[in-house]
Amino acid sequence: RKEVEQDPGPFNVPEGATVAFNCTYSNSASQSFFWYRQDCRKEPKLLMSVYSSGNEDGRFTAQLNRASQYISLLIRDSKLSDSATYLCVVNTRNQFYFGTGTSLTVIP
Amino acid sequence: DGGITQSPKYLFRKEGQNVTLSCEQNLNHDAMYWYRQDPGQGLRLIYYSQIVNDFQKGDIAEGYSVSREKKESFPLTVTSAQKNPTAFYLCASSIDRLRTGELFFGEGSRLTVL
Repeated sequence: RKEVEQDPGPFNVPEGATVAFNCTYSNSASQSFFWYRQDCRKEPKLLMSVYSSGNEDGRFTAQLNRASQYISLLIRDSKLSDSATYLCVVNTRNQFYFGTGTSLTVIP
Repeated sequence: DGGITQSPKYLFRKEGQNVTLSCEQNLNHDAMYWYRQDPGQGLRLIYYSQIVNDFQKGDIAEGYSVSREKKESFPLTVTSAQKNPTAFYLCASSIDRLRTGELFFGEGSRLTVL
């Protein structure tokens, strides 16, 4: 079983839509969780860390459910500039594990 | 500005040649990593280093070598033994492997074997 699993998509949504991504992880000992954004042919960049209490940064909300071992990312009021691949990253015993990424295209 | 610098950004290599990818960071991070990304796949760990003069194999170390002679520098050599070296190579660092901080990435090196 993979350490981190994501639905690869693609998700094609109209501007202004709300879209949610989920990611599951297999190891209950996982310690920290992140969402990264990766544009085509570029390096991943940290979008936000994910905390047990949930956290919000503008239009983006991340949540962690330790009991069910999944994390989520909600994007509200999608913009064209949100088009990218979103990577779920989990740190387990000081090793980073990556999902394959979820592709999002926001359509005018 | 602090960050990670990778070079070259694009590299073409003939089969049978070794090539070295440079990675330099001025973030004063202890931990450094090399990942490989292929289309449609997640990042896979090649090597990592927690401290100067120490490094460990990742999941796909065969055909690669590294050194960590200075804290700031973690070069990766892709040897002729690597059977399918064409890929996007990403260097990353984190403050240290004990504090579970996030990863910072360089801009990547895209290697094509002709």
